[in-house]
Amino acid sequence: QVQLQQWGAGLLRPSETLSLTCAVYGESFSGYYWTWIRQAPGKGPEWIGEIHHSGSTKYNPSLKSRVTMLRDTSKNHFSMRLTSVTAADTAVYYCARGRPASGGVAPFDYWGQGTLVTVSS
Amino acid sequence: DIQMTQSPSPQSAAVGDRVTITCRASQGISNYLAWYQQKPGNPPKLLIYAASTLQVGVPSRFSGSGSGTDFTLTISSLQPEDVATYYCQKYNSAPWTFGQGTKVEI
Repeated sequence: QVQLQQWGAGLLRPSETLSLTCAVYGESFSGYYWTWIRQAPGKGPEWIGEIHHSGSTKYNPSLKSRVTMLRDTSKNHFSMRLTSVTAADTAVYYCARGRPASGGVAPFDYWGQGTLVTVSS
Repeated sequence: DIQMTQSPSPQSAAVGDRVTITCRASQGISNYLAWYQQKPGNPPKLLIYAASTLQVGVPSRFSGSGSGTDFTLTISSLQPEDVATYYCQKYNSAPWTFGQGTKVEI
């Protein structure tokens, strides 16, 4: 059974860097793109970006200048960093399984439990 | 970028009622449309993909239809456990975009 378990700091001050990690269990890491999605209070989810097991990435243009995604295939982990956070970055952040690594498209069928990240001075 | 617009929120209905939620894409997306259900404190749960294919384990009272720009999620007989917010999402190309959500209440 596929499980995603995520962790990271939940309280940040403006201008700090958000850092989250997600571990993948019960699935081949190399079989899919792995994604980060966030959801601000009362809003719909927002796709942040995705990473392939090769390390190639694709980011939402709205966040591209501030986001970096990395992966550690030896641990079946992937992570994201978002720099220069502001109150507008306050949200629940989720990791999720994305589309197949071999190509094609797919919805997000497995999600992590979510991490509430609050940006406040 | 393609925008996804859902029917107004909240939608109130009685147990046993038929509930219909609509989603409109600003450009055609063929049938690359998914529906999710989200309850407070939980991540979204995939209900339907390819506009009308039910995810494994999802009750048959849920159904989806549509293609191109206009899509519909239908709950044929609303149950108390269906109280949630429902999101549509297009996945034909990046950026993968969600609607703003439709809350269903009893």
